Amino acid sequence: GQQVMQIPQYQHVQEGEDFTTYCNSSTTLSNIQWYKQRPGGHPVFLIQLVKSGEVKKQKRLTFQFGEAKKNSSLHITATQTTDVGTYFCVIQGGKLIFGQGTELSVKP
Amino acid sequence: DSGVTQTPKHLITATGQRVTLRCSPRSGDLSVYWYQQSLDQGLQFLIQYYNGEERAKGNILERFSAQQFPDLHSELNLSSLELGDSALYFCASSVQGAQDTQYFGPGTRLTVL
Repeated sequence: GQQVMQIPQYQHVQEGEDFTTYCNSSTTLSNIQWYKQRPGGHPVFLIQLVKSGEVKKQKRLTFQFGEAKKNSSLHITATQTTDVGTYFCVIQGGKLIFGQGTELSVKP
Repeated sequence: DSGVTQTPKHLITATGQRVTLRCSPRSGDLSVYWYQQSLDQGLQFLIQYYNGEERAKGNILERFSAQQFPDLHSELNLSSLELGDSALYFCASSVQGAQDTQYFGPGTRLTVL
């Protein structure tokens, strides 16, 4: 079945450093969504990417969709302690498939 | 606050028992989704209902069943519970289908002893 690989599984950074998580699919995607889950919380929608090569920004967060629509990335510039949590990509292949998530911890 | 409510917040039960988790979607949302989140399996999609009808099925065990009622609230029934069913169960809702933003509830933490 369709799968999505998300890396890294964990990332520990010093506050102010950048952070990137990647999602890769073996098949072409119609779209990809990103969610964030704070510790002890529930997933919260961040963004949806639909077009090939699309780049969207939300303040310090930059989301990219690959030209072949098989991969995506989320980049956070100058991390803050409020960025702590797990970031998931989500694809649709008849059913919703969440990536394994990247858990980000930020040391003040 | 996402507008999605789930009850109960916590549930502790024994192996072999049956429990029912309840979810009320955001006002106006027609789709409801159920997810299971455990440490070793991550966030797993279980099932989606749209306006009372089953729309998509994920990794839902045969011991589990769900339904969506005319008022659009949904229930997830878990039976013959095993220790491995201990997890956080999330409900989410969206306006129409999976391409829409999903709004997650706070979850029900199930502990099977």
